[in-house]
Amino acid sequence: AQKITQTQPGMFVQEKEAVTLDCTYDTSDQSYGLFWYKQPSSGEMIFLIYQGSYDEQNATEGRYSLNFQKARKSANLVISASQLGDSAMYFCAMREGPGGGADGLTFGKGTHLIIQP
Amino acid sequence: DTEVTQTPKHLVMGMTNKKSLKCEQHMGHRAMYWYKQKAKKPPELMFVYSYEKLSINESVPSRFSPECPNSSLLNLHLHALQPEDSALYLCASSQETVAGGPGETQYFGPGTRLLVL
Repeated sequence: AQKITQTQPGMFVQEKEAVTLDCTYDTSDQSYGLFWYKQPSSGEMIFLIYQGSYDEQNATEGRYSLNFQKARKSANLVISASQLGDSAMYFCAMREGPGGGADGLTFGKGTHLIIQP
Repeated sequence: DTEVTQTPKHLVMGMTNKKSLKCEQHMGHRAMYWYKQKAKKPPELMFVYSYEKLSINESVPSRFSPECPNSSLLNLHLHALQPEDSALYLCASSQETVAGGPGETQYFGPGTRLLVL
C-alpha cells in the first residue's frame, strides 16, 4: 500500500486563484512529520512547509498553508493567490518513526501544477 | 542560510568509469542523505548518515558507495554503473533533533544529473 497518496497528477489553475493540492498518508506511528516540497523544472527540491503529528494548529508559511486533518490522515497544501512562478511539481512527503532528524522521507508521486495567466 | 551545494551539476560517464558526486552543507546539520530520482518519479532514499555514521542503507547496489569524511561533506562514489542508473541524484541535510519538530526538515541541494552511457 502507498504511504503517501497524491490523487491529482496534474492541475491547471488561473493566476491569482487559490489552489488546494491533496495528500493523504498512511502510517501506524504516533510520531511523524509531513512536508511539502516544490520542484521546478530545474530539479531542485524546495522546502515549503512542515507539519508535525503533534501540532494542533495548521502550519502556515506566507502564501502556503497546510490543512492538517489527523483523523482523516490528510495533509492538503493550500496556495493562496497563485502566481505564474508557482508552476512546478509539488511533492507531499512523510517522515515516520521516532524522529530525530535521521529518518528518510517517503514521497508521494507528485502533482504537476500549471498556473495560467 | 539553508544552502546545500552539490557538484558537479551534470555528469556523463561510461559503464567502466569511476566518478564521485560531492555534497556540502555549512548549517551545522548532523544528518545527511542521498536520494535518487528517476524522470517523472518521486525521489527514493538511498543512504542516511547520522553523526558521520551510516545509519540507513536502502539495499542500494554496491556500485554506489557513500562516504562522509566530516560533518559537512557527503560523497557518493560511483563505479561500474549501468544505463538504468541514469537519474537526478539529490543530497539533503537536516538537524539532528531528538523529538522531531521543524528541525527535522530536510533541505535539498540542486542535484547532479547523471547520464550513464
